[in-house]
Amino acid sequence: KAGVTQTPRYLIKTRGQQVTLSCSPISGHRSVSWYQQTPGQGLQFLFEYFSETQRNKGNFPGRFSGRQFSNSRSEMNVSTLELGDSALYLCASSFWATAQETQYFGPGTRLLVL
Amino acid sequence: AQKVTQAQTEISVVEKEDVTLDCVYETRDTTYYLFWYKQPPSGELVFLIRRNSFDEQNEISGRYSWNFQKSTSSFNFTITASQVVDSAVYFCALSEGGTYKYIFGTGTRLKVLA
Repeated sequence: KAGVTQTPRYLIKTRGQQVTLSCSPISGHRSVSWYQQTPGQGLQFLFEYFSETQRNKGNFPGRFSGRQFSNSRSEMNVSTLELGDSALYLCASSFWATAQETQYFGPGTRLLVL
Repeated sequence: AQKVTQAQTEISVVEKEDVTLDCVYETRDTTYYLFWYKQPPSGELVFLIRRNSFDEQNEISGRYSWNFQKSTSSFNFTITASQVVDSAVYFCALSEGGTYKYIFGTGTRLKVLA
């Protein structure tokens, strides 16, 4: 079974621009979660989607948004990019995303904001 | 509030040595789940083990073993006979019942020297 895929793998943007990242979950998985990883803050939860609905959101500004499509693929968008948005963005999928389930992570998208 | 602490920032061992990675967690829930993930240089988080709060039985899986002690809120992970390929950053994570997100520790970088 194919794993979680994320595109693009690398991205360079400049301040003020916006960016869209994509995540395709494991086939059959209906939940997609997004995490931001930076050297300073570590791994932080952004949001989680299930059946096209956002069920939980982390403590990030409104510039960070996401959505999920009917085929469970998800996108996250960051508008008005800041230097501090440079990070590895990881996507994870699971069937229900209940607490006891294991989340399976993709390879991430490395975003560099100049 | 939930929190995961990995006090060891970096550990270096020589190949074939055993190594234990420490994890201490805080939660007010009685139902929770603990995970260990490995992050090689490629960036993808690789699932290793999972344990729920009702099962304190410690197990061994190949070269991996874990020691879960609710009395001390610790969930330590041991690699026996370490190999160079074990070099990576290891993350401990906590998920509480009813939530859809992981709380990660800051990670422990393991270097296994040949």
